[in-house]
Amino acid sequence: KAGVTQTPRYLIKTRGQQVTLSCSPISGHRSVSWYQQTPGQGLQFLFEYFSETQRNKGNFPGRFSGRQFSNSRSEMNVSTLELGDSALYLCASSHTEARSNEQFFGPGTRLTVL
Amino acid sequence: AQSVSQHNHHVILSEAASLELGCNYSYGGTVNLFWYVQYPGQHLQLLLKYFSGDPLVKGIKGFEAEFIKSKFSFNLRKPSVQWSDTAEYFCAVGSGGYNKLIFGAGTRLAVHP
Repeated sequence: KAGVTQTPRYLIKTRGQQVTLSCSPISGHRSVSWYQQTPGQGLQFLFEYFSETQRNKGNFPGRFSGRQFSNSRSEMNVSTLELGDSALYLCASSHTEARSNEQFFGPGTRLTVL
Repeated sequence: AQSVSQHNHHVILSEAASLELGCNYSYGGTVNLFWYVQYPGQHLQLLLKYFSGDPLVKGIKGFEAEFIKSKFSFNLRKPSVQWSDTAEYFCAVGSGGYNKLIFGAGTRLAVHP
């Protein structure tokens, strides 16, 4: 089974721009979660989508948004980029029916904001 | 709010030394517990997990962890580390049906030959 894939792997943007990151979960997984990883704050939960609905949201400003499509693929969008948004953005997928929280992570998209 | 505390931020060991990384969490309800590892240049991989049952769980690559409910702890252990264990280790807690993990700050392990 193919793992979680994320595109693009690297991205460079300037302040004020917006960016869209994409995630394809493991086949059969309907839950997709997003995390931000930075040296200062570590791994922080952004949001989770299941069946095209946002089920849970972390403590991030409204500039961070996401969506999920009917094939479970997910995108996250960051508008009006700030320098502090530079981070590794990780996507993780989970098997829907299990309430075990076990998640499988993708390689991440490294976003650099200049 | 839930939180996860990892006691050591950096650990340096020689090969064949024993390893124990501490993890404590704050949450009074039922939790699922995880240790993830991130090797240099690679993505997060699951080392082991605890959902219920035997509090001593075994994972990949000779790692094990013990869940002590009374101490809210889930410490990671390995009797003899190898150079290839050099990585960053993250403890994480999940609860309920929503797939939200709370991660500790991570422990960077360096193993010298």
